[in-house]
Amino acid sequence: DIVMTQSPDSLAVSLGERATISCKSSQSVLYSSVNKNFLAWYQQKPGQPPKLLINWASTRESGVPDRFSGSGSGTDFTLTISSLQAEDVAVYYCQQHYSTPLTFGGGTKVEIK
Amino acid sequence: QVQLRESGPGLVKPSETLSLTCTVSGGSIDSYYWSWIRQPPGKGLEWIGYIFYTGSTNYNPSLKSRLTLSIDTSKNQFSLHLSSVTAADTAIYYCARQPVLAYNYFDPWGQGTLVIVSS
Repeated sequence: DIVMTQSPDSLAVSLGERATISCKSSQSVLYSSVNKNFLAWYQQKPGQPPKLLINWASTRESGVPDRFSGSGSGTDFTLTISSLQAEDVAVYYCQQHYSTPLTFGGGTKVEIK
Repeated sequence: QVQLRESGPGLVKPSETLSLTCTVSGGSIDSYYWSWIRQPPGKGLEWIGYIFYTGSTNYNPSLKSRLTLSIDTSKNQFSLHLSSVTAADTAIYYCARQPVLAYNYFDPWGQGTLVIVSS
């Protein structure tokens, strides 16, 4: 199984400041034949299901604000919120879809400082 | 716009079988993979397994011995049956679609249904 490790578990950021979340996989999720990282990011607000934010490590889904960005390749990935807004308070999860069993990181809770 | 809704008992006794159904509306169940994912209260996400519209399946090995997924394309529904449940199976259960064939990420998700295992 590919183990996904997120850090930190939680972080508090002032409104308008940057939030950075790390996700590391126990093996590479880069599928070299298509040059794509099989890594997705989800946002889960309280009482709601997760929502797909970013796929292929760095491609924002339609309608996702451009303050959200993803980067990284291979085993190390980052989700950045460039200017935190109140509506961004949520838990963020990374997920590898390179191989089954499909696995998620433990989540990072983002709060307002 | 496709929508998913989970339904089933909210309370199951230990050792019994947990059964849930996901109803797909606003689109066809054909030509997609469909997953179940669960989340114990206050904890992280665990993929349970997926089923293709043809009926082929892929289960998480951690649950494989107790798990059966099925699909009814005529009703636009797919179902989960998890046998011999314990308190560790208490969770919010989500159904979700894998929107692009052969790529196993999830969008959209149902709202989820809480299942408590307790006598």
